[in-house]
Amino acid sequence: DGGITQSPKYLFRKEGQNVTLSCEQNLNHDAMYWYRQDPGQGLRLIYYSQIVNDFQKGDIAEGYSVSREKKESFPLTVTSAQKNPTAFYLCASSMFGYSGNTIYFGEGSWLTVV
Amino acid sequence: KQEVTQIPAALSVPEGENLVLNCSFTDSAIYNLQWFRQDPGKGLTSLLLIQSSQREQTSGRLNASLDKSSGRSTLYIAASQPGDSATYLCAVSGREGNNRLAFGKGNQVVVIP
Repeated sequence: DGGITQSPKYLFRKEGQNVTLSCEQNLNHDAMYWYRQDPGQGLRLIYYSQIVNDFQKGDIAEGYSVSREKKESFPLTVTSAQKNPTAFYLCASSMFGYSGNTIYFGEGSWLTVV
Repeated sequence: KQEVTQIPAALSVPEGENLVLNCSFTDSAIYNLQWFRQDPGKGLTSLLLIQSSQREQTSGRLNASLDKSSGRSTLYIAASQPGDSATYLCAVSGREGNNRLAFGKGNQVVVIP
C-alpha cells in the first residue's frame, strides 16, 4: 500500500538524550514535512524539504535536526537542546511544495520525556 | 502572520443532523484551503482542498465552501453518523503553499447515536 510510515509509534526519551523519529514514504513525493502537535493545539511546522539534500527551517526548528539523503526518507532528530519535547509528531508529504497539491500525513509518533 | 480560528472548539449533535463547522482566517491572500479529519491519536486525513479561485468543493456527504474576501470557510457534513465523530482541522496556504500551512486548532465533533 502507498503511504507514509512513521516509527516508532511511542518513544520515551531521558533527559539529555537525542532521539530520532523515522519517516518513510512510497508515494514518490518530492516534498516532506515534520509537524509538532500539542494537546488541543494546531499543528506547527518544524522542518520541511522540497528536494533531496535540501531542507528548510519551519516555525519551531530550534532543538531539532533533519536530513534528506533519500527521496523516500526524512528522519527527525529531537536533540537535548529541545527543552519541551513531549508532543505528538507528524510527518507529511506532498507532490510539490507549492499550492494545489493535497498533503498526506503519517500516523504520528508520540514522544514522552521521562 | 496568518491566524486561523475554528469555532466552536467542540460540539455534539444527534445522529442524522447536518453538521456545520466554521473556519476563519485573517489574511485573505491564500492559495488554497484544506479540511482534514483527525481521529484520536492518529494522523490527519485530507477531506477536501479548495483552490483560492473556487467557491466550493464536494465529496459525498461533505461540502466545503470558501469566501476568500471575508476570510471564511464552512464544512458541511450531511446526515451525520457516529463514524463522523472526530476532530476536523482547517488549514490555509499562502504564497509558499504547503511549506507554510497555517492550521486551526480544530473542531472536536461527537455524533450521538
